[in-house]
Parts: sequence; structure tokens; C-alpha cells
Amino acid sequence: QVQLVQSGAEVKKPGASVKISCKASGYTITTYYIHWVRQAPGQGLEWMAMVNPSGGDTEYAQNFRGRVAMTRDTSTNTVYMELSSLRSEDTALYYCARELPPYRRLDPWGQGTLVTVSS
Amino acid sequence: DIQMTQSPSSLSASVGDRVTITCRASQDIRNDLGWYQQKPGKAPSRLIYAASSLQSGVPSRFSGSGSGTEFTLTISSLQPEDFATYYCLQHNTYPWAFGQGTKVEVK
Repeated sequence: QVQLVQSGAEVKKPGASVKISCKASGYTITTYYIHWVRQAPGQGLEWMAMVNPSGGDTEYAQNFRGRVAMTRDTSTNTVYMELSSLRSEDTALYYCARELPPYRRLDPWGQGTLVTVSS
Repeated sequence: DIQMTQSPSSLSASVGDRVTITCRASQDIRNDLGWYQQKPGKAPSRLIYAASSLQSGVPSRFSGSGSGTEFTLTISSLQPEDFATYYCLQHNTYPWAFGQGTKVEVK
């Protein structure tokens, strides 16, 4: 079945970078856009960015422009999201999700990757 | 960037109650809006697409309305499994944006 499997939890120091993987199974990663959404502890959902794994085009929320880089490896059917210059406010659960046309449903979602930023 | 203002941030209700949640967009997004439900420890799941269309498999007690800048999610008769947090999501223009969320709690 179609699923997205993300890499495991990370603990990072302020100023460091974190790279999260999102591996697709059951379909070819280049077929659909991938979105990244995060959720700080006890807080709401925050849309971060989108990548077209086929063409490479990207879109970002204002808060993440210049700090997020997304890449893909078609040989492993995986998309990566790297967030740099980490600060304590970046402590959150990070999700990847596939965008399905025609009505742009986010489905499925990965299981989430917890990133903790602490000195 | 488009801002989504969702209200209320939380509400207390009983089983059988009618519940209404509102999202307001800072500019016209036509009907490019979805409603998502999130339960604790789970990823969100979409209930409504195109502002008013019911996602396949979603109970008919959920409904959506609105277009332009004002949108509403209604649960006609709240069931025990509906206690969760609800979010609107606009996908008319990048960057996409979620509303702040509405937590529906037991009264």
C-alpha cells in the first residue's frame, strides 16, 4: 500500500542543521508533489514547503525561506528536507505528505519526525 | 501571503450537539479550502474538499460551506469519535496556510 516513511527522531543543538528523509513506497516519488508540515508540541499545524520531486520546483512559507532545502533521490524513492540554523522554536514534529490531484488532498502523511533543539 | 483566521480556538460540546467552526481568509481563495481532522498522536485527515464536498468515507454529519473569504465546517450531531482538533487549509495560492485549529472537547 502507499505510504511515506520518515527518518527517526533527532536531537540538535541551536545553530545546527537537521535533514529528514521521507521515503515513498507503493508509488513513484516523482509522480506527486510532497509537502512538509510541522507541529510544535501542543500547537497547531504549520505549512512549511512544497517540492515537486519530478521537476524540482519548490515553494516555501515566509518563515522558512532561506532556511529550508529540499532534495530528492529517485533511486531510493526518497525526498529530503533540511532545516538549518536551528533554534529552540524549531522543536516540533515534522511531517511529509503527498499531494493528490485534483483537489490537492494531503494523503498519505508520514509518521512524523520529532526534532528537538536544545543546548 | 494569505492568512487564515479560524475560530473558536476551542469549544466544549456534548454528544448530539451541533458544532460550527469558521475560517476566514485574508483574501479571496474561491473554494480552494479543505477541512482536516486531527486526533491525538495521529496525522491529520481531510474531511471536506473544495470547501463543501465530502471526502469519500467521511460521515454525512460533516458538512462545509462558503467561498471567497468565509468558510464554515459544521458537525450536525457530534459523536464520541468527533472529539478532536479541526483545521482549515487554503491551497489557492502558495504559501499554503492552515488555520490555527479548533479543539472540540467534551462538555
